Parts: sequence; C-alpha cells; structure tokens
Amino acid sequence: DADVTQTPRNRITKTGKRIMLECSQTKGHDRMYWYRQDPGLGLRLIYYSFDVKDINKGEISDGYSVSRQAQAKFSLSLESAIPNQTALYFCATSDLNSYGYTFGSGTRLTVV
Amino acid sequence: GESVGLHLPTLSVQEGDNSIINCAYSNSASDYFIWYKQESGKGPQFIIDIRSNMDKRQGQRVTVLLNKTVKHLSLQIAATQPGDSAVYFCAETDNYGQNFVFGPGTRLSVLP
Repeated sequence: DADVTQTPRNRITKTGKRIMLECSQTKGHDRMYWYRQDPGLGLRLIYYSFDVKDINKGEISDGYSVSRQAQAKFSLSLESAIPNQTALYFCATSDLNSYGYTFGSGTRLTVV
Repeated sequence: GESVGLHLPTLSVQEGDNSIINCAYSNSASDYFIWYKQESGKGPQFIIDIRSNMDKRQGQRVTVLLNKTVKHLSLQIAATQPGDSAVYFCAETDNYGQNFVFGPGTRLSVLP
C-alpha cells in the first residue's frame, strides 16, 4: 500500500457542486498539506496542518476548506466548485525528521 | 511575484548524455533545498537535497550544486536514461522541513 493515498484519483464534477478529496497516510507524520498543481505554475499551497488541532491557510485557500479528522487523515473540500478549480491536487506529509515531503499520487479534478 | 506561464521549460537530451537542470530562487534566507522528480501520473518524488552550508552534494548519478551568491540551484544527471524522462522541480525553504516553495518545473525528455 502507498504511504500517502488519495481518493478519488480522477473526478469530473459540475459547477456549483460540493466535492471532497480525501487523503490518508501511513507514515505516522504529524504534518499534512494540500497542494494544487497547474501547468507552468508549479505546486501551490492551499492548506496545511501540523497536528490534529492545527489548520493553516496557504497562499491560495479561497474557495477551499479542510478537515483534519485524525493524524492520518486530511480532507480537502470545495464547497461550490468552479471551472478554474480544475487542476491536479496533491496531498503531502512530513515531520521534523523527514527530508521534505512524501506526496500522494494526486487527484485530477475537472469542473465542467 | 508569481510567474505566469502555460508551458514548462523543456530540456531534450540524448540517451547517455549528461543533463543539467537549473533553478533560480529568490529568498536569500532559504537554507534547505530539494530536487523532486515527477513522472507522468505520479506525485513528486524526492531525489536529492542540500543544505545552505554546502555547495555540492552527490547521489547516485545525480549531483546538486548550490550557488548562494546568485541564488541558483542545479541538478546534474549523469548518463541520462529513458527512465529519467519526467518533470523536475526544485523546492526551497527558510524554515527547515516546513513550508517549501516550489519552482515551476522543467520537463526533461530523453531522446533515443
């Protein structure tokens, strides 16, 4: 099993719909992150959490919300999806002893 | 400021040649850097890292060079193989292990 698992892998949704992307990890890491990837713009941070009671906004949090249900689970929600939220979304984990991040395989979201 | 672009920089090399991928960073306080490799359909994977107290670090077929004077990072891949075809990202942080900033990436294509 992968260290960081994202579901679904692909999703097509309609404008205005609520959608949740899920992330779970078996690394035992305290820190979890949600990134968005668009062509030519690299990875941009949406939200991050350093432990279950900690939630922080990243550089592009507008239109998104998150929930850290447990140390191992961090979900990203789009309350009312819009077409410019079409992107590849990555969850990542880390802790003080890790070298950089461990990424999931990504969720490709298309909003039509 | 954020760079805007729809196309990744690309680098095409012949199989067996050496590849050099470059990255400029803007934060002079950045003290830890990582190169990631992202293959199609997968999340970024750690390749090699370097701390700001070093100017060179070698791994298996890869070398990272850091020039703090001009805020430049490079990744050298020796004897490039078809399996090296991917997008390569640099990432920097000024808070070791936390809140990395990612470059836009370079697409490496290995020609037979």
